[in-house]
Amino acid sequence: EVQLMESGGGLVQPGGSLRLSCAASAFTFDDYTMHWVRQAPGRGLEWVSGINWDSDNIGYTDSVKGRFTVSRDNAKNSLYLQMNSLRVEDSALYYCAKGGGDTTEFDEWGQGTLVTVSS
Amino acid sequence: QSALTQPRSVSGSPGQSVTISCNGTRRDIGDYNYVSWYQQHPGKAPKVMIYDVNKRPSGVPDRFSGSKSGNTASLTISGVQAEDEADYYCCSYAGIYTWVFGGGTKLTVL
Repeated sequence: EVQLMESGGGLVQPGGSLRLSCAASAFTFDDYTMHWVRQAPGRGLEWVSGINWDSDNIGYTDSVKGRFTVSRDNAKNSLYLQMNSLRVEDSALYYCAKGGGDTTEFDEWGQGTLVTVSS
Repeated sequence: QSALTQPRSVSGSPGQSVTISCNGTRRDIGDYNYVSWYQQHPGKAPKVMIYDVNKRPSGVPDRFSGSKSGNTASLTISGVQAEDEADYYCCSYAGIYTWVFGGGTKLTVL
């Protein structure tokens, strides 16, 4: 059974930094694009960033460009999101999601890690 | 990267058909056959119900179907059941390695 386990969330002040991690298991990690999707409390889903298998293709939503950096370590079956210059509006549950291989959907999701940006 | 537009809520009685629309632009839904739909129950992670506009992952009931016309995608639940009550989100590939979600639709089964 595919497992995606996020960690690294917490409470941080505006302007601060956090690094999220996602540990993947039970599938060939370096065959798949991986994504970060967030959901603010009581709000909808927002795609944040995606990275293809060899880190050659990377994308970000406009609101995090220049502040967030996605990366992956295929040897460790892990996905990361370095978040700098955090804003109150970045507060959300951050999900790690697996891409669908030859297709573009998010076919497996973790349970999320909560990021709260507040003074 | 503007969010796709969905109705905030829809409702239907058990056994009825319900359709949720998802309006995009020619830069996302209109340009790619990469629309997916997600079901999210309260406190749970999302689950993919439809991908590539109209394909159903194994295990998803065949009462769920998807379609697209121009810049608008739709999810239809034929014969809605109580357990289908949830939030539903559409998503489209939007080019240059970016994706965009809709704002979400709350389905109430009366």
